[in-house]
Amino acid sequence: AQSVAQPEDQVNVAEGNPLTVKCTYSVSGNPYLFWYVQYPNRGLQFLLKYITGDNLVKGSYGFEAEFNKSQTSFHLKKPSALVSDSALYFCAVRDLWTGANNLFFGTGTRLTVIP
Amino acid sequence: DGGITQSPKYLFRKEGQNVTLSCEQNLNHDAMYWYRQDPGQGLRLIYYSQIVNDFQKGDIAEGYSVSREKKESFPLTVTSAQKNPTAFYLCASSGLGPGDYGYTFGSGTRLTVV
Repeated sequence: AQSVAQPEDQVNVAEGNPLTVKCTYSVSGNPYLFWYVQYPNRGLQFLLKYITGDNLVKGSYGFEAEFNKSQTSFHLKKPSALVSDSALYFCAVRDLWTGANNLFFGTGTRLTVIP
Repeated sequence: DGGITQSPKYLFRKEGQNVTLSCEQNLNHDAMYWYRQDPGQGLRLIYYSQIVNDFQKGDIAEGYSVSREKKESFPLTVTSAQKNPTAFYLCASSGLGPGDYGYTFGSGTRLTVV
């Protein structure tokens, strides 16, 4: 079975400081991993994905994520947080076993960047 | 521009009424999905469809129904059997080819029972 855990419901960081939003996953085979961002009353927007290759993945708006197979983690990072980064962030993993292309989502982490 | 459109943005339902949420995509995606979002609970899968005229229940299908008569359209009906329908509903689509890995989401419909 596939699953994703986001251990922090809320992350607060000062503007200009580095930010990290944590994600761990559980899959039977090789994971396809994703990060999405949601602004209030909007749908989810794609940030980045890891399929294969380099463990450091770069995405939109200056975000990046590091795939760590030994720790089964895919933490989202940004070197310098902006107030506009405040949003709800979802990690997701693709189900490789059902063949339905279903994504399993974490429960989300609310990021607040303090001016 | 290709995309996925949900309508209406806000919807109010009286007790005992059925309401239908629209989801249309022009991305030529084979698969479409409906999720329900409640505060603190993330996204929960209601129904999904990989092909026209076929769909499968997700984790919380009770009180909901769907149809997939056209590739572009995947409407969701919230029936009177759904006892707590107030939530934010998200539709998504994806391709099923070897290079299609993620979802494209609509902007959501907020349903409120009055």
